[in-house]
Amino acid sequence: DVKVTQSSRYLVKRTGEKVFLECVQDMDHENMFWYRQDPGLGLRLIYFSYDVKMKEKGDIPEGYSVSREKKERFSLILESASTNQTSMYLCASSVEVMNTIYFGEGSWLTVV
Amino acid sequence: EDQVTQSPEALRLQEGESSSLNCSYTVSGLRGLFWYRQDPGKGPEFLFTLYSAGEEKEKERLKATLTKKESFLHITAPKPEDSATYLCAVQSAGGGADGLTFGKGTHLIIQP
Repeated sequence: DVKVTQSSRYLVKRTGEKVFLECVQDMDHENMFWYRQDPGLGLRLIYFSYDVKMKEKGDIPEGYSVSREKKERFSLILESASTNQTSMYLCASSVEVMNTIYFGEGSWLTVV
Repeated sequence: EDQVTQSPEALRLQEGESSSLNCSYTVSGLRGLFWYRQDPGKGPEFLFTLYSAGEEKEKERLKATLTKKESFLHITAPKPEDSATYLCAVQSAGGGADGLTFGKGTHLIIQP
């Protein structure tokens, strides 16, 4: 089975803090993704990476950055957290872009 | 622009009462249609991928079908543990950076 692991399930951070969300996949997938999910808005793509050190902006990249130094690991960074970034963040991976995407368990981030 | 509409938004059934969830889509060149199950507070769990009209896939009490305009997720004799939100997503060349457009989901409740 595909395993996508998000290291932090629940986080509470203060406004202005720098936040790191980590994700690891064990299936040697080329592509990794970060989404956020909000009630009424559904899933929205923040960034995705199709190779080590490569990234592309998704629909809502503002206020976020990403890092992919190793194939299995993809990090989402909030440079200066704001309350409107309170959300559930989902990491995902796929063997290639036009293929099934597998999700992690999610990270609930609350910014106060 | 690709569009995905899921209906109904919410559905309450008695245990054993079969029904269907609908996913209507408008895309330019369908590459795949995906169904996911999402439990509260967790990431989406992959169920099925369908690629072409007429295709059907089954898993336990679930059966997914695909036409040129919509997909159905049929639930036969559901049990309370089938309660979840079911998400539909389509993948096409006209989608976002990941090629995906997600629906808002159908929240399914199975009462004992």
